[in-house]
Amino acid sequence: DVKVTQSSRYLVKRTGEKVFLECVQDMDHENMFWYRQDPGLGLRLIYFSYDVKMKEKGDIPEGYSVSREKKERFSLILESASTNQTSMYLCASRKTDTQYFGPGTRLTVL
Amino acid sequence: QQQVKQSPQSLIVQKGGISIINCAYENTAFDYFPWYQQFPGKGPALLIAIRPDVSEKKEGRFTISFNKSAKQFSLHIMDSQPGDSATYFCAASKGGFQKLVFGTGTRLLVSP
Repeated sequence: DVKVTQSSRYLVKRTGEKVFLECVQDMDHENMFWYRQDPGLGLRLIYFSYDVKMKEKGDIPEGYSVSREKKERFSLILESASTNQTSMYLCASRKTDTQYFGPGTRLTVL
Repeated sequence: QQQVKQSPQSLIVQKGGISIINCAYENTAFDYFPWYQQFPGKGPALLIAIRPDVSEKKEGRFTISFNKSAKQFSLHIMDSQPGDSATYFCAASKGGFQKLVFGTGTRLLVSP
């Protein structure tokens, strides 16, 4: 089975802190994605990566950056966390047509 | 700009009934239409998907109906069960890299 793991299920940070969200997949997938999920807004794409060291902006990249140094790991970085970044963050990796999601990290920024 | 519009936002169906969730899209270049199912505390998982060369796809109790001219597609859950209670997302993408555009989600509750 494909497994996508995220480093934390719950995270509480303070405004202005630098936040790292880690995602690891074990199936050698080339493509990986970061989404945020908010009630009434569905899943919105923040960034994606189609290969190591390659990244592209999604629909809502402002305030975020990403890092992909190894194929299995895709990190989302909040350079200076703000309260409007309180959300559920979902990582996914892709094989053919299917995206496989991790369980999510619920981030609260105080 | 919402490229994929999903309705209803929430739905309550009795056990054994039919659940219907609708989506409409704007971009005629979309050529892949999946539905994802998400249980509380879990990430979404692919449930069923369709491409526009067919008008219907059925997998067990789950059916996608696709209307290309109307730019609409819907998920039908026959004989709905309490275990189907989850949030359902429709999505769409166009060729190549498969960057998915998701609908806003429907929270389904199947009452016993």
